[in-house]
Amino acid sequence: GAGVSQTPSNKVTEKGKYVELRCDPISGHTALYWYRQSLGQGPEFLIYFQGTGAADDSGLPNDRFFAVRPEGSVSTLKIQRTERGDSAVYLCASSITTPGSYNEQFFGPGTRLTVL
Amino acid sequence: GQQLNQSPQSMFIQEGEDVSMNCTSSSIFNTWLWYKQEPGEGPVLLIALYKAGELTSNGRLTAQFGITRKDSFLNISASIPSDVGIYFCAGLGSGSEKLVFGKGTKLTVNP
Repeated sequence: GAGVSQTPSNKVTEKGKYVELRCDPISGHTALYWYRQSLGQGPEFLIYFQGTGAADDSGLPNDRFFAVRPEGSVSTLKIQRTERGDSAVYLCASSITTPGSYNEQFFGPGTRLTVL
Repeated sequence: GQQLNQSPQSMFIQEGEDVSMNCTSSSIFNTWLWYKQEPGEGPVLLIALYKAGELTSNGRLTAQFGITRKDSFLNISASIPSDVGIYFCAGLGSGSEKLVFGKGTKLTVNP
């Protein structure tokens, strides 16, 4: 079946511009996660949705970053007034939710964001 | 953000050799995971460990969850060229859904 898909695969923008990154999770997965991976680093958690609501947004670096999941499926990560330091690969993952057990997070291929 | 201490940073080995990499943390985790990432792809789960002291195998891969719950190692036996990639450890705390990753070990296998 289809995995997690992310669009665009690459995005080049100029400093100060606004960008939106989209994630389509695996069908039926109620949980959705955003991570950011800088060059030579491991992914770092940004935000986690359970259904439509953000259950944990403690990883968002500042108020320029915002994410939504209005219908509990597709999610959009929005970055305002982009800075060169925002350049990274933004990874999305999704999982089922079974209380009391580990729910494997399946990752998409990521969106590579370059801020010039 | 928090990242786990993963070593070595990179490894260059000959096909057929065994590989070992490890991960340590200052915090306790309830679940330890090992992922592999190839260029242009997201991480793919290799092994999940749920219990302190647990030793788990998946084909040529073996991983252990440390007794202190602050460390884990991954061994790959008889490496082959398709083992090339970046291997990440990750930890999951109690009641948490956010994975904390290491910085990765880049593996190169020479045929």
